[in-house]
Amino acid sequence: AQKITQTQPGMFVQEKEAVTLDCTYDTSDQSYGLFWYKQPSSGEMIFLIYQGSYDEQNATEGRYSLNFQKARKSANLVISASQLGDSAMYFCAMRSFQGGSEKLVFGKGTKLTVNP
Amino acid sequence: ETGVTQTPRHLVMGMTNKKSLKCEQHLGHNAMYWYKQSAKKPLELMFVYNFKEQTENNSVPSRFSPECPNSSHLFLHLHTLQPEDSALYLCASSQAGLAGANQETQYFGPGTRLLVL
Repeated sequence: AQKITQTQPGMFVQEKEAVTLDCTYDTSDQSYGLFWYKQPSSGEMIFLIYQGSYDEQNATEGRYSLNFQKARKSANLVISASQLGDSAMYFCAMRSFQGGSEKLVFGKGTKLTVNP
Repeated sequence: ETGVTQTPRHLVMGMTNKKSLKCEQHLGHNAMYWYKQSAKKPLELMFVYNFKEQTENNSVPSRFSPECPNSSHLFLHLHTLQPEDSALYLCASSQAGLAGANQETQYFGPGTRLLVL
């Protein structure tokens, strides 16, 4: 069964610094997708970045980059030049396709606090 | 306009009440999902609809009843809920079945915060 592990319940970073949020996964699928979502206190889950298992290059989206290490089964999110608005919960998720439908398996999340 | 909308945003109900949560997506997607997010627990998938057909029921109690009248609308009918059902209920949609990351990404609504007294 697919499993996502986020070992950091909370992280603190100074404004304008970079921060890495950890994510490890477990799957027996050969093809899979990894996602990061941001959830502010308002509740909405905001899609940030996607990495496919066959993608040779690490995904990047603006200030977000995904450090994908397939052999180690890790997909860490790197946020560069942190901003106060980055304070939120961050969830790593893995896509699986089973029984004719697509599913996302989520980790427990990491609460990021950006300090001024 | 927001891609996925949910109403109401907040709901307080007694255990004997009947209420419905509504989700609408404006992204042209063909799959919709209900998730439950309880405090200190990972998001739990509840139901999946592909092309208006339910393809997943993740062992959800019958007091939760989904309805998908068309590919743009999804409802979650609630009746005789328990206090432990208090949670954030999130709706999501995606373009399932096509190759490529963008089409398969799930986009979420703002959620409904439900409190059962």
